[in-house]
Amino acid sequence: AQSVTQLDSQVPVFEEAPVELRCNYSSSVSVYLFWYVQYPNQGLQLLLKYLSGSTLVESINGFEAEFNKSQTSFHLRKPSVHISDTAEYFCAVSRTGFQKLVFGTGTRLLVSP
Amino acid sequence: DTAVSQTPKYLVTQMGNDKSIKCEQNLGHDTMYWYKQDSKKFLKIMFSYNNKELIINETVPNRFSPKSPDKAHLNLHINSLELGDSAVYFCASSQTGPGTEYQETQYFGPGTRLLVL
Repeated sequence: AQSVTQLDSQVPVFEEAPVELRCNYSSSVSVYLFWYVQYPNQGLQLLLKYLSGSTLVESINGFEAEFNKSQTSFHLRKPSVHISDTAEYFCAVSRTGFQKLVFGTGTRLLVSP
Repeated sequence: DTAVSQTPKYLVTQMGNDKSIKCEQNLGHDTMYWYKQDSKKFLKIMFSYNNKELIINETVPNRFSPKSPDKAHLNLHINSLELGDSAVYFCASSQTGPGTEYQETQYFGPGTRLLVL
């Protein structure tokens, strides 16, 4: 079975500062990795994903994540955050070939001016 | 143009009642899901249907019965509602198949906020 750990339940940061949201996973088989974002009172939106190939994946709004197989991590980073990045961020894993997403407990990113 | 839609958006009801939540997707996907998000924001899959066939059924009480009349719809009926059923229920869809062209991406609806009093 797969599992995901997001150690930080909340990350406060000032606007324009860099941020890293940590995600570690556990699996005995190969996996796909995802980051989803949930804005207040909204559904989840896919931010970025790793399926195969380059271990560094990027989103259109400046986030990036790096798949590190040896450390079983998929940390999310942004070099300079905006107030509008305030949201809940969920890391998720699925076993390759299966469609079942297993989510972490989420990290609330709070960006203040 | 909504890709995955759910109705109702909010549902407030009494314990013991029976209620349904509807989900529709217009993405042409062949797989649909129900997730439950509890008060601590933890998300867990409940069911998954592929081409109207149940493929994932997590340990969910049998008071919850999903129904898929066609590939584009997946409804969730809940009997004898309990206080612990209060949560946000998300529907999602994806397209399965070989090759990364299917991208393994699940698209989520806006959620249905269920409050059982």
